[in-house]
Amino acid sequence: KAGVTQTPRYLIKTRGQQVTLSCSPISGHRSVSWYQQTPGQGLQFLFEYFSETQRNKGNFPGRFSGRQFSNSRSEMNVSTLELGDSALYLCASRAGGPSTGELFFGEGSRLTVL
Amino acid sequence: AQKITQTQPGMFVQEKEAVTLDCTYDTSDPSYGLFWYKQPSSGEMIFLIYQGSYDQQNATEGRYSLNFQKARKSANLVISASQLGDSAMYFCAMRELTNAGGTSYGKLTFGQGTILTVHP
Repeated sequence: KAGVTQTPRYLIKTRGQQVTLSCSPISGHRSVSWYQQTPGQGLQFLFEYFSETQRNKGNFPGRFSGRQFSNSRSEMNVSTLELGDSALYLCASRAGGPSTGELFFGEGSRLTVL
Repeated sequence: AQKITQTQPGMFVQEKEAVTLDCTYDTSDPSYGLFWYKQPSSGEMIFLIYQGSYDQQNATEGRYSLNFQKARKSANLVISASQLGDSAMYFCAMRELTNAGGTSYGKLTFGQGTILTVHP
């Protein structure tokens, strides 16, 4: 069974640009969550999508957005990039339903903003 | 607001010995779940073990066990018989269940992590 796939794995952008990251969840999983990981702030929740609807959003500015498609694949977008957006962006999928389901993470997309 | 504290930035252990990684939490939610994840240098977060707040027994998964002390709000991870491949960053995380309202179980609050180094 394929795991969570994130693309691209690495990317370099400059300030002011925008970026789109993609996440393909485990087959059959309907929930996708996004996290930002930085050395200073650690792992922080960005948002969660379930059945194409955003279910929860973390404390991030409106420059961070996401969406989920009917096949459960998800994308997140960061507009007007800032140096502080440099981070590892992790996507996680969950089967949905019972609350004890663990999150399965991908290997992340490492974004560097110059 | 929920909070996870991992007070050990780094830990060292000899191969084949046991090690305990500390985690304390704070929440007002009577129903919650506690997780431990391992993050090797590749970046992927690997699920290790889960403990529900109403579970009567401590969770175990192979060499991993969770020492859950609800009154003290601690959820320490015990790794027995350490292996060189256990060297990684370890994160404790919590999911609130009641406050999630049944709509967002994908939100975890993570601690700052503990870097574990296993020496041969």
